[in-house]
Amino acid sequence: DAKTTQPNSMESNEEEPVHLPCNHSTISGTDYIHWYRQLPSQGPEYVIHGLTSNVNNRMASLAIAEDRKSSTLILHRATLRDAAVYYCIPQNYGGSQGNLIFGKGTKLSVKP
Amino acid sequence: KAGVTQTPRYLIKTRGQQVTLSCSPISGHRSVSWYQQTPGQGLQFLFEYFSETQRNKGNFPGRFSGRQFSNSRSEMNVSTLELGDSALYLCASSLYFAGANPSTDTQYFGPGTRLTVL
Repeated sequence: DAKTTQPNSMESNEEEPVHLPCNHSTISGTDYIHWYRQLPSQGPEYVIHGLTSNVNNRMASLAIAEDRKSSTLILHRATLRDAAVYYCIPQNYGGSQGNLIFGKGTKLSVKP
Repeated sequence: KAGVTQTPRYLIKTRGQQVTLSCSPISGHRSVSWYQQTPGQGLQFLFEYFSETQRNKGNFPGRFSGRQFSNSRSEMNVSTLELGDSALYLCASSLYFAGANPSTDTQYFGPGTRLTVL
């Protein structure tokens, strides 16, 4: 399984953009990069995923480096509700059969 | 569409007892995965069921077991509870089993069952 490196914590001000980085240098060519987040006292919530090109949805954007060794989750305007732990997960379809392997994630704090 | 539901939400047991947790997936979803979350180990994959068959299993002892019914509802059982089994147990549902369609693979998590073992 690909190993990931994420900052333990990050801070942002409300209504400002947030860039959450993730390094996954051992990712294989077929691993999708998934991002989930976990709000306090809730189960994880899917945010976005992609393979090679950048992806956008109503929640966030995902920028994937050309060599795929890193990616960045972009929240365009952080709100207080975005305070959560964000997990970057290269989903391995060769070894662990695609089940989510969570790391420690990045705890995002949003200041009003 | 209703989300993933888990019952009970909170449970207190004593060492040596056994416990059964229940998970109802989103309507139409046929895969259910179970995870354990503790402050020390984080979120760890327990097992996945699809069409009543266990497809994959994480690195947990045999005291942890599960099953899935024909309506896709799933239960997990922990026998001979230990103090270290105190955790938040999460289930997640998806349309197909993990890896069936990587481009659309998304898991939807329930709120979890908080198990405390005394």
